[in-house]
Amino acid sequence: LAKTTQPISMDSYEGQEVNITCSHNNIATNDYITWYQQFPSQGPRFIIQGYKTKVTNEVASLFIPADRKSSTLSLPRVSLSDTAVYYCLVRDNYGQNFVFGPGTRLSVLP
Amino acid sequence: DSGVTQTPKHLITATGQRVTLRCSPRSGDLSVYWYQQSLDQGLQFLIQYYNGEERAKGNILERFSAQQFPDLHSELNLSSLELGDSALYFCASSPQGGREDTQYFGPGTRLTVL
Repeated sequence: LAKTTQPISMDSYEGQEVNITCSHNNIATNDYITWYQQFPSQGPRFIIQGYKTKVTNEVASLFIPADRKSSTLSLPRVSLSDTAVYYCLVRDNYGQNFVFGPGTRLSVLP
Repeated sequence: DSGVTQTPKHLITATGQRVTLRCSPRSGDLSVYWYQQSLDQGLQFLIQYYNGEERAKGNILERFSAQQFPDLHSELNLSSLELGDSALYFCASSPQGGREDTQYFGPGTRLTVL
């Protein structure tokens, strides 16, 4: 089974850029990497998805190196409302199992 | 609002009982996924359906079963419930269930087994 790792927690201040990295050593060859945000007692909310290199949307950027064994979510200029848990989601290369990372609890301080 | 709906929002039951969780996917989505989220195990993939057929299976216990109906809604059946089954259960949906699909999650059903 694929193993994904993420930092357990991170602190940041308002207005700073935050980078969260997920390691996924057994990602399926042709599958995408997806990042989600989750608030307490709510379902995960889609942030961004990519396959390789760099993807940017209105809320975040996603950087994926050539070997695709990791990915980095970049949140520009975070605000207090970005305090949440962030998860990466991949599919492992051994089968069809979708694997969430353990989540990174981001705390944004004023 | 993702467009995925789940009922009920909360469910409290006793050990040994059986419950059914329901999920309606986003309009037009053919694929449904079920996940379990507990404090000690995190978010765990259970099973995926595409247009009524099982497509992928994860860490789903034999006491659990699921199906997707012709109208594309899905139900997750949990039987012989144990205390450890207490968790949040999420349903997600995507258009085709393919590798490039994005999964959109519902608000979840919180199951408490007493």
